[in-house]
Amino acid sequence: GQQLNQSPQSMFIQEGEDVSMNCTSSSIFNTWLWYKQDPGEGPVLLIALYKAGELTSNGRLTAQFGITRKDSFLNISASIPSDVGIYFCAGLPNAGGTSYGKLTFGQGTILTVHP
Amino acid sequence: DTEVTQTPKHLVMGMTNKKSLKCEQHMGHRAMYWYKQKAKKPPELMFVYSYEKLSINESVPSRFSPECPNSSLLNLHLHALQPEDSALYLCASGGVGYFYQETQYFGPGTRLLVL
Repeated sequence: GQQLNQSPQSMFIQEGEDVSMNCTSSSIFNTWLWYKQDPGEGPVLLIALYKAGELTSNGRLTAQFGITRKDSFLNISASIPSDVGIYFCAGLPNAGGTSYGKLTFGQGTILTVHP
Repeated sequence: DTEVTQTPKHLVMGMTNKKSLKCEQHMGHRAMYWYKQKAKKPPELMFVYSYEKLSINESVPSRFSPECPNSSLLNLHLHALQPEDSALYLCASGGVGYFYQETQYFGPGTRLLVL
């Protein structure tokens, strides 16, 4: 089945530093989604990407849909303590077929921000 | 509004109990999902309902029984669970708009403990 390789697995950074994480796949995805999850809560959608090459920002967050449609990255600028959490990438296959709507998740990046 | 609500927030049950998890969305989404999540792992898909019909069952044991009473509601009926079923159960909805702009929004989850 499809797998997403997300890296790094964890990051320990100082407040104010920039963060970068990425996901790669052996298969093509039609949509890339980035989520943040706090302990005991559900994942919150940060950014959705729908076109190869698309670069989208949401405040201090920037994400890009790779041109090959097999990768995506998420950058966080000027990190703050509330950025702490687990970040997941997720890919959706093309519309139609039995796999439609089935998200494939990366293993997550655990982010720790030291004040 | 991108809110998916889930009740209860926490649930403790014995292995002989019957309980139900509830999920609601009012975003007009055509698809609703149940996921199971263990600590620090990505969510694992259990069931997908599309237009109120079960479209995907990821070989989930029959002690988990989903139900979609209408387009806004999704239930998960639990019976004779095992301690290893303890996890965070997440509901998600998605599918509004164009097919090529599919996304999924998650609820806050129900933390289930089976004793």
